Amino acid sequence: DTAVSQTPKYLVTQMGNDKSIKCEQNLGHDTMYWYKQDSKKFLKIMFSYNNKELIINETVPNRFSPKSPDKAHLNLHINSLELGDSAVYFCASSQSAGELFFGEGSRLTVL
Amino acid sequence: QKEVEQNSGPLSVPEGAIASLNCTYSDRGSQSFFWYRQYSGKSPELIMFIYSNGDKEDGRFTAQLNKASQYVSLLIRDSQPSDSATYLCAVNNEKLTFGTGTRLTIIP
Repeated sequence: DTAVSQTPKYLVTQMGNDKSIKCEQNLGHDTMYWYKQDSKKFLKIMFSYNNKELIINETVPNRFSPKSPDKAHLNLHINSLELGDSAVYFCASSQSAGELFFGEGSRLTVL
Repeated sequence: QKEVEQNSGPLSVPEGAIASLNCTYSDRGSQSFFWYRQYSGKSPELIMFIYSNGDKEDGRFTAQLNKASQYVSLLIRDSQPSDSATYLCAVNNEKLTFGTGTRLTIIP
């Protein structure tokens, strides 16, 4: 069983569209994250949830809206996609600070 | 100044030699330090963490921490081609901040 699973793995879409990425973890962890990795491989935190509560909200455009229906799920919805949103988005979970388990990533390409 | 700095490489090391990866950080309040490995096209995976000054060994890997110098390093002994990957240093204070990674290539 995959510990942290994300869907879809690939998204190709036009500018201005809306898209969602779903994430689920079966590790029983309390904390989940969304990270963005750009073309230069820089991994930057976007959001962090602890037991469904938002605890980290970095400087991210409000076109990005996370949602955590329960502590095992963290979804990311992106409105009005822009070219600069093209990246790999990683979901992760942890029980201890810093010890993250990452999903396989969702590669978003905005045309 | 970047919060976590690493030499982007590429760093090429002959098979069997010691690979040395370095990282500096700017926030003196940082409490814990992590090394992640990321193979091309894959997700990062945690390989080492260190909280106290000094060395921590795990198999072929040794993490070294010097809080006074704000410096963390990772040594890989007896380097194998399978060690070829990007190594990400990460520093935790209130959040986990990653460096840009060092690409390591082990030459057979």
